[in-house]
Amino acid sequence: RKEVEQDPGPFNVPEGATVAFNCTYSNSASQSFFWYRQDCRKEPKLLMSVYSSGNEDGRFTAQLNRASQYISLLIRDSKLSDSATYLCVVDYTGTASKLTFGTGTRLQVTL
Amino acid sequence: GAGVSQSPSNKVTEKGKDVELRCDPISGHTALYWYRQSLGQGLEFLIYFQGNSAPDKSGLPSDRFSAERTGGSVSTLTIQRTQQEDSAVYLCASSLREEEAFFGQGTRLTVV
Repeated sequence: RKEVEQDPGPFNVPEGATVAFNCTYSNSASQSFFWYRQDCRKEPKLLMSVYSSGNEDGRFTAQLNRASQYISLLIRDSKLSDSATYLCVVDYTGTASKLTFGTGTRLQVTL
Repeated sequence: GAGVSQSPSNKVTEKGKDVELRCDPISGHTALYWYRQSLGQGLEFLIYFQGNSAPDKSGLPSDRFSAERTGGSVSTLTIQRTQQEDSAVYLCASSLREEEAFFGQGTRLTVV
């Protein structure tokens, strides 16, 4: 099993749609979780951290399910500008020292 | 500096030549990562430095690749005898332990 696994997509959704991505991780001791966004030909940037209680930032909601070892990202009311690759990041070793990046899920929002 | 700095931003080299890519992490960040990304592909982990610990080199694709981090700060990724399949964007990131990682803008390497 990969350390961090994501569906590569692409997810093609119309503007205004709600879309959700999941990411599974293999180390149950992992403590830190993040979602990053990468635009075409740009470096990845932090979108949001993922907390145990779940957290929301505007149209974006992140959740953690420790029992099933996955994190999710929900995007409501998708905008054209949301088109990007979304990377799941997990502290794989469980010692909060090495972050492991998934290969990303590509989202394309269309008119 | 304000962010992670990588140089050069672009590098074109002839097959068989050696190249050095530099990364200046954010001051005080103990962790430093190197990744590479081929066009349209995901991040491929190369190497990880954490403080004075031995680096995690498990992602280096061959012995032509090596990296150093001097004084816990600047890092250099060296690729010897470059091949065309080495062409990619090489990304460096730094972080404090469990906090978010910040990326540089990358070095686009083209081997001709």
